[in-house]
Amino acid sequence: EVQLVESGGGLVQPGGSLRLSCAASGFTVSSNYMSWVRQAPGKGLEWVSVIYSGGSTYYADSVKGRFTISRDNSKNTLYLQMNSLRAEDTAVYYCARVMEWLLPPYYYYGMDVWGQGTTVTVSS
Amino acid sequence: EIVMTQSPATLSVSPGERATLSCRASQSVSSNLAWYQQKPGQAPRLLIYGASTRATGIPARFSGSGSGTEFTLTISSLQSEDFAVYYCQQYNNWPLFGQGTKLEIK
Repeated sequence: EVQLVESGGGLVQPGGSLRLSCAASGFTVSSNYMSWVRQAPGKGLEWVSVIYSGGSTYYADSVKGRFTISRDNSKNTLYLQMNSLRAEDTAVYYCARVMEWLLPPYYYYGMDVWGQGTTVTVSS
Repeated sequence: EIVMTQSPATLSVSPGERATLSCRASQSVSSNLAWYQQKPGQAPRLLIYGASTRATGIPARFSGSGSGTEFTLTISSLQSEDFAVYYCQQYNNWPLFGQGTKLEIK
């Protein structure tokens, strides 16, 4: 079964750090594009970061320089290292697989597998 | 930077009726547009990619259309389980979501 399971969320003080994990089963993380998406309480979805199969990484402006996306191929796991956390980073964090489909002549993308989410609360 | 705008913010429709949700991009995203459904306490679910292709397992009552800057998600004959929040997402370079449309029971 294709599945993503996040862990690592919790309560952290402003300025602190946290590392989120996303364990995949049923497919290979390193062969896919993988992303983190967050949702603040009562708000919409906000894309955070993506890592491509080739290893390139991209970040939303709101987290650039503070968050780092990475993966461990041996553990088939995606990570999000979050430093210098702020109150506005409080959210449910989801990991998702970004699937690529060829509808000639173009490729199209969508997040077809999601984890259940892990909650990060930044508060003193 | 591309901005995705969804309308309306809230849509009230009776079960069995048709719902039409709109998504507008501030610049062309070609057909690189996806739609998601999210129910309270759940992760989002992919409905449509490539503006009009249903994802695996998505019922035929869900359909997407549009290209460039104007997109539409249509749900024909609403079922009780369809009342949820719907998000559009463009994927040029990296993902960007619209702010969502809440579909509620009238």
